[in-house]
Amino acid sequence: QKEVEQNSGPLSVPEGAIASLNCTYSDRVSQSFFWYRQYSGKSPELIMSIYSNGDKEDGRFTAQLNKASQYVSLLIRDSQPSDSATYLCAVSSSGNTPLVFGKGTRLSVIA
Amino acid sequence: DAMVIQNPRYQVTQFGKPVTLSCSQTLNHNVMYWYQQKSSQAPKLLFHYYDKDFNNEADTPDNFQSRRPNTSFCFLDIRSPGLGDAAMYLCATSRGIQGQGGAFFGQGTRLTVV
Repeated sequence: QKEVEQNSGPLSVPEGAIASLNCTYSDRVSQSFFWYRQYSGKSPELIMSIYSNGDKEDGRFTAQLNKASQYVSLLIRDSQPSDSATYLCAVSSSGNTPLVFGKGTRLSVIA
Repeated sequence: DAMVIQNPRYQVTQFGKPVTLSCSQTLNHNVMYWYQQKSSQAPKLLFHYYDKDFNNEADTPDNFQSRRPNTSFCFLDIRSPGLGDAAMYLCATSRGIQGQGGAFFGQGTRLTVV
């Protein structure tokens, strides 16, 4: 059973702080990793993708991947109240298997 | 803009009355997915199409069916909705089966069963 694990939260951070969201996955040969943001009552929105070990930065977002530890994270710098949402980690495993989603971490940015 | 469009946004159906949800895409992606998402839960994959090849998840109830008449459209049919089928239904597309480039979601259809 291929699994993606996330702490459900809520994770509360003050405005302007760095929010750190973590995700672990069980399939060692996973190849593609994605972070989605989902506002309450809305559909998931793709915000970051990462395919190789290391960091990938896009604006205030940084995705970090460590395949040896089977760990992927998302850092949000200068957190804003508008970042308050659930963040879903999705992992593409080997072969012809679709993306597997974690349950998501609920982030609350306090003004 | 290229996108994934779901209709309707909100659907109310009676217990046991068949209902169809629709999804269209202008991204020309090969793969289309249907997910069910209940409150505070991860999206649960029901099935997906790679082009015309249909793939049903092992735990998807027989009550759920799907059709993909062409590249652009995909339908979710719920033959006899039960109260437990009330959820957000999400359609998504991707270029390849492993979500190459990411999977893109429509706005979702929120289904209420009364």
